[in-house]
Amino acid sequence: AQSVTQLGSHVSVSEGALVLLRCNYSSSVPPYLFWYVQYPNQGLQLLLKYTSAATLVKGINGFEAEFKKSETSFHLTKPSAHMSDAAEYFCAVSESGGYNKLIFGAGTRLAVHP
Amino acid sequence: GAVVSQHPSRVICKSGTSVKIECRSLDFQATTMFWYRQFPKQSLMLMATSNEGSKATYEQGVEKDKFLINHASLTLSTLTVTSAHPEDSSFYICSALLAGALTGNEQFFGPGTRLTVL
Repeated sequence: AQSVTQLGSHVSVSEGALVLLRCNYSSSVPPYLFWYVQYPNQGLQLLLKYTSAATLVKGINGFEAEFKKSETSFHLTKPSAHMSDAAEYFCAVSESGGYNKLIFGAGTRLAVHP
Repeated sequence: GAVVSQHPSRVICKSGTSVKIECRSLDFQATTMFWYRQFPKQSLMLMATSNEGSKATYEQGVEKDKFLINHASLTLSTLTVTSAHPEDSSFYICSALLAGALTGNEQFFGPGTRLTVL
């Protein structure tokens, strides 16, 4: 069975600092991996996705993530945090070959302080 | 990009009543849609997979008679919470699967519906 673990339910950074949100996955098949962002009372917006092509994936809003098979990780980073990055971030996994069923991590709430 | 809408965005109802939530793919056809439930400060839990023209597939532990799903067209899926009770209060989010020959399939999410049962 597939699963996702997000380490740290809350992360707080200063504006301009590096953002690092951790995600580890478990999958018996080659996975597709995703990062989504959710603002209060809104749906999810896709930040980036890994689909077995390049291991370093660049997404929107300056975010990127690196797929490391040996570590079963897909951590999300951004070099310099903006106040507008404050939101809930979800890592998700799906079986390769389709995006049909997403399994979400518990989420990480990112706070950005001036 | 592909847009998915949900209606209503917020609903308050009395215990024992039924509530219908609509999920529409506005600029693409979706043979498959998904319904998720999200409790406060928690993650999304998949409730069911909705397939156009056939019965929905429910996840383990989700009562199909409680949460009725209808996917009558390629752009509309509805979730009806029957005889709602306060414990059904939650944020319900749908997504629609956009099939792509080059990029594979991708889920696009609606903005969610906040259900409060008094």
